[in-house]
Amino acid sequence: QTVVTQEPSLTVSPGGTVTLTCSSSTGPVTSSSFPNWFQQKPGQPPRALIYNAIDKHSWTPARFSGSLLGGKAALTLSGAQPDDEADYYCLLYHGGPRPWVFGGGTKLTVL
Amino acid sequence: QVLLVQSGADIKKPGASVKVSCKASRYPLTGYFIHWVRQAPGQGLEWMGGVDPNIGVTRSAPKLQGRVTMTWDTSITTAFLDLTTLTPDDTAVYYCAGETYRENVKSFDSWGQGTLVAVS
Repeated sequence: QTVVTQEPSLTVSPGGTVTLTCSSSTGPVTSSSFPNWFQQKPGQPPRALIYNAIDKHSWTPARFSGSLLGGKAALTLSGAQPDDEADYYCLLYHGGPRPWVFGGGTKLTVL
Repeated sequence: QVLLVQSGADIKKPGASVKVSCKASRYPLTGYFIHWVRQAPGQGLEWMGGVDPNIGVTRSAPKLQGRVTMTWDTSITTAFLDLTTLTPDDTAVYYCAGETYRENVKSFDSWGQGTLVAVS
């Protein structure tokens, strides 16, 4: 079965830059994987940040950006703020009987 | 943006069934899919399946087939998740999530507030 892998945890300094990645066991992540990224804080539902690998929602802070990097989907946070401390999940489309698969999530600490 | 409002928390005994609802407001008349996603305590997100309100197509994860039914009631613009033969492993927060889709676009943009289902 398809496995989507993210870094379990990352730490970034306030004002710093960090990149989270998302890879698939089936091969390179491409635009056809339609990567979506979400932020989740404790006790809250996920909040959508990025879709189609690079597109932002109207509410997505400008410091977040998405890309495809070396066969992976990537979420870059530039100018980290304490409020960005959260879990981040990627979601990839694979088609077939189990079309959508979430990554295991990255716990981002701003410290 | 679509507004998704879910039913309240529920406690069930093993072997029972649960039905969770998700009322959608202001959803598009085409190109929209309502997914169900669950999150066990302290764990990540798991895609379960969903329903297209406009064309009635449903999808469900292979591991849940036989136990899960996802439906849409047009008269009350509400999606339903039915899960049978519950075990303690089904204890989780269940979310509905809305996906806007069209050619070359798949965007998850709305989430319900979540429904805690405890099996004990």
